Amino acid sequence: AQTVTQSQPEMSVQEAETVTLSCTYDTSESDYYLFWYKQPPSRQMILVIRQEAYKQQNATENRFSVNFQKAAKSFSLKISDSQLGDAAMYFCAYSNAGGTSYGKLTFGQGTILTVHP
Amino acid sequence: EAGVTQFPSHSVIEKGQTVTLRCDPISGHDNLYWYRRVMGKEIKFLLHFVKESKQDESGMPNNRFLAERTGGTYSTLKVQPAELEDSGVYFCASSQSYGTSGRRKNIQYFGAGTRLSVL
Repeated sequence: AQTVTQSQPEMSVQEAETVTLSCTYDTSESDYYLFWYKQPPSRQMILVIRQEAYKQQNATENRFSVNFQKAAKSFSLKISDSQLGDAAMYFCAYSNAGGTSYGKLTFGQGTILTVHP
Repeated sequence: EAGVTQFPSHSVIEKGQTVTLRCDPISGHDNLYWYRRVMGKEIKFLLHFVKESKQDESGMPNNRFLAERTGGTYSTLKVQPAELEDSGVYFCASSQSYGTSGRRKNIQYFGAGTRLSVL
């Protein structure tokens, strides 16, 4: 079974600074997807960024980028130029790319990010 | 375009009662998923529909939970009878089946959730 671990229950950052959220995972699959979701206090989860395991290039979306280390099974999220609106709970998630359970997202415990003005 | 809609947003029931949660996916999304987060724990997968068929129901905790998706549109999740440990937030998500490359993208769009409190 796949597992996802976020070892940082809480993180904080000053506005305009950079912060990195950590995520490790365990799987025996070679083809899979990794995601970072953001859940603001209003509770609706929003996809921040997605990485396909077969792609070596790290995904980027504007101020958000990942450091994907497949051999180490590590998938960290870097937020540059942090903004007050980035304050939320961030979830790391995994899914297989195929098989009967391809739709199942396995989530980490979440990291609460606080942004200080 | 409307997003994933869930209702009610909050339900308070007594132990032993029945509750039905509803999810309306994004129009045209064949895939529909249910997840839940009980207090202090991580979000857990419950099941996955492809159109009206159950693709994967490996996360359903027991036979008190019944999910349906008649006609492949909206879905309901019924809990009968509800127990105290069923309290938590129930999320629904939907996704398209394939991207233009033919490869499953599995980008899931989530609803705001239903907070269920069983007293």
